[in-house]
Parts: sequence; C-alpha cells; structure tokens
Amino acid sequence: NAGVTQTPKFRVLKTGQSMTLLCAQDMNHEYMYWYRQDPGMGLRLIHYSVGEGTTAKGEVPDGYNVSRLKKQNFLLGLESAAPSQTSVYFCASSYVQGAYSYEQYFGPGTRLTVT
Amino acid sequence: DAKTTQPPSMDCAEGRAANLPCNHSTISGNEYVYWYRQIHSQGPQYIIHGLKNNETNEMASLIITEDRKSSTLILPHATLRDTAVYYCIVRPPYGGSQGNLIFGKGTKLSVKP
Repeated sequence: NAGVTQTPKFRVLKTGQSMTLLCAQDMNHEYMYWYRQDPGMGLRLIHYSVGEGTTAKGEVPDGYNVSRLKKQNFLLGLESAAPSQTSVYFCASSYVQGAYSYEQYFGPGTRLTVT
Repeated sequence: DAKTTQPPSMDCAEGRAANLPCNHSTISGNEYVYWYRQIHSQGPQYIIHGLKNNETNEMASLIITEDRKSSTLILPHATLRDTAVYYCIVRPPYGGSQGNLIFGKGTKLSVKP
C-alpha cells in the first residue's frame, strides 16, 4: 500500500514551457487535492476534486489546470510556466462517507523550479 | 485566512512532553480541530483531531477547552524526530469547499538533546 505518490520528484522548467504533475493514490479515496507551498509559508490549495470526472478551484487556481479521469489519479498541468510558479507541490487525498470527509493523506511533494 | 493562532516557534527538551497551544476563538459548533505536522521538506502528516472531547492516539493527545476556544496538542515524550512545523486547523466535517484545509504558518517545534 503506497498511499499517495507523486511524479516527478524534481523538475526544472524554462519560462513558457509546459508540464504535467501526476498524483496517484491506492486508498480508493474519493477526494483529491493539489497544494503549493512557498518558502516559509503554509500550504495553499490550488484545485481539488470530489470524485472522478469532477474538479473545482481552490484558493490559487490561476495558471493551473487539472483533470481527474480516473479515481486514483489527479493531474496538475502548467500550460505556460512562470517563475512565480516555482514552488513545492503537494497532492493529497481523503476518504468520504456520505456528506463527511476525513483526514487528508499527503504525498511526498514535487519540487519545481521555473527559470 | 487561517482561523487559528499559534506561536511561531517553541523548543522542547528530548524526552519531555511538548505542549503546543492553539487559539481558535471563532470556532463554530460543528467545526473540528485538526492537527497536522510537516517534517522538513516532507508532505504534511495527519496527527489527530477532535470536536469537544479530549482525544488520544498513538502519536499524541489533544486537549480542547470546555468553551472550545483553544486547544493543546501534547506529544508525551518528544524525540528529535518530532522536530517539525505543527499546524492547527479548524474545519467542518463536510466535503467540498467547506471542508478544505486552510493552513496558517504553524508552530516550528525544535526538540533539543
């Protein structure tokens, strides 16, 4: 049981390049989340998904797109990377029962540098 | 903005109890208090949560005041591996945007030998 995994672990992009970050979970969780964390700050929510085929905006969605084609995977895309998107990106998932969601489980993070 | 207030940093001697306070004076009746920690460069780790009763698990204890306006996370015998940033978060139990976590800056706990 690997929990939440993220690919890649590190990436360096040039301004204007695009890339996709992959998050996978094997806990059959309904909810998945993408966060970013800048130095000395707490995590901020980018986008989240309450189920396969659904996505919603979080606190800082601009410049990012997401897709949840399969329940176990949540993809975060950067269409045209900017230096302001240099950050550590964390994915998380949580179990849901009825209207209630439970604690989130986080992946190890992807460190992205945009030059 | 985070709905909680925590001291920016604390020190604790190895083997002693670490008591981390959190103020949440505007907490609503259905909101839970959650604690997560983030060891350097790793993803946050869930520790414990509670509504109004004190809670204990294998990692920690959570003490919530009767008026629910503050709480304390207790690590009973801190080790060097407990050095981390600890986040106190209040949230309703529901899914969707209501139940999303809002992270503040947390408390940087340094456990010293």
